[in-house]
Amino acid sequence: EIVLTQSPATLSLSPGERATLSCRASQSVSGYLAWYQQKPGQAPRLLLYDASNRATGIPARFSGSESGTDFTLTISSLEPEDFAVYYCQQRFTFGPGTKVDIK
Amino acid sequence: QVQLVQSGAEVKKPGASVKVSCKASGYTITDYYMHWVRQAPGQGLEWMGRINPSDGTTTYAQMFQGRVTLTRDTSTSTVYMELSSLRSEDTAVFYCARDYDTNMDVWGKGTTVTVSS
Repeated sequence: EIVLTQSPATLSLSPGERATLSCRASQSVSGYLAWYQQKPGQAPRLLLYDASNRATGIPARFSGSESGTDFTLTISSLEPEDFAVYYCQQRFTFGPGTKVDIK
Repeated sequence: QVQLVQSGAEVKKPGASVKVSCKASGYTITDYYMHWVRQAPGQGLEWMGRINPSDGTTTYAQMFQGRVTLTRDTSTSTVYMELSSLRSEDTAVFYCARDYDTNMDVWGKGTTVTVSS
């Protein structure tokens, strides 16, 4: 069973700053990794799939990359609405999440 | 537009069962698998299982095996999640989510289930 590890647990940044979130898989996932954003009281929203493809309606400031079993979600310049919890997911497994909060 | 509408909040006693519905609209339910995900208060996302609405075949997470049952009614474009032997730790929000090549591209708003004596 694949285990996903996310770091950091919390990222404190200011609007306009760049956010870099990491997700590491315990074994190869062949690039099949998705990222979700969840705001308080809301359902998760698909941001990226297959590591780097943006879902419908997702702004270009969200991007993803992979290097082996390491995956990165980058938000190029944080907007106020981007402060949320981000989860990575591979098939039937979710990572524990990274909370991006306002510094 | 594609939408998943879930049933309302439930309050159950320990040992009881709960059945949550998820009605799909805007697409053909038999064209996509449907997942169920649990989120306890302040916690992360836990995958519970998925159903193929086309033929009713299911896959369950080991931790829920024996307690969860996913079913569907294609005539009403609805899938159901039933969780039995409820305990306080099952107090959570339960989401249905449409599968898109193993990703989950459309989510219901969630159903809160509270287990309390």
